[in-house]
Amino acid sequence: QVQLQESGPGLVKPSETLSLTCTVSGGSISHYYWTWIRQPPGKGLEWIGYIYYSGSTNQNPSNYSPSLKSRLTISVDTSKNQFSLKMSSVTGADTAVYYCARGVGDSWLDTWGQGTLVTVSS
Amino acid sequence: QSVLTQPPSASGTPGQRVTISCSGSSSNIGINTVNWYQQLPGTAPKLLIYSNNNRPSGVPDRFSGSKSGTSASLAISGLQSEDEADYYCVAWDDSLNGHVVFGGGTKLTVL
Repeated sequence: QVQLQESGPGLVKPSETLSLTCTVSGGSISHYYWTWIRQPPGKGLEWIGYIYYSGSTNQNPSNYSPSLKSRLTISVDTSKNQFSLKMSSVTGADTAVYYCARGVGDSWLDTWGQGTLVTVSS
Repeated sequence: QSVLTQPPSASGTPGQRVTISCSGSSSNIGINTVNWYQQLPGTAPKLLIYSNNNRPSGVPDRFSGSKSGTSASLAISGLQSEDEADYYCVAWDDSLNGHVVFGGGTKLTVL
């Protein structure tokens, strides 16, 4: 049974870059949409983006939220069975619980990590 | 403001049937499938319904989904206290080069 686990700093300073990693265990990283979602405290879920790993290093399309696109990079490291999120120029509005998830389809997310709280504060 | 519109709250008594609506548009629900997620308090979301009306293994058949035009619905029959949670609809949206859109979520209270 596949499991996902987010990791990364819980506190990031304003204007810096938020970096999170999701480790995939118990399953292959190929042929899925590896997705990031976030949830500000007391609010709803927000899709951040995904990277689709086809099994080939040359065909791994990513897709990002239009409102966040300019600040995002999602990448995959097959050697470690991990995928990562980098979000630049963070502000307090980026404070949230960040979830990683496995997508069978673009919005069909069948497995989720437990989530990690990232606070943006000086 | 979410692209998919859900009522912020819903409620019912044990044993009742409740429905939660999700309204979209021709660029999302109108042409793409809808998925539903359940988020129990303090936990990560869980897939409840996929591709409009399919239940993953382990999800009770009390939960069902439907779609018509640019709207979708989640129905819960035989309401139980453990169904008290937040529910989200999600779909792909073909606008702006394509992206995933979430509903704002519906908090279900079991009275």
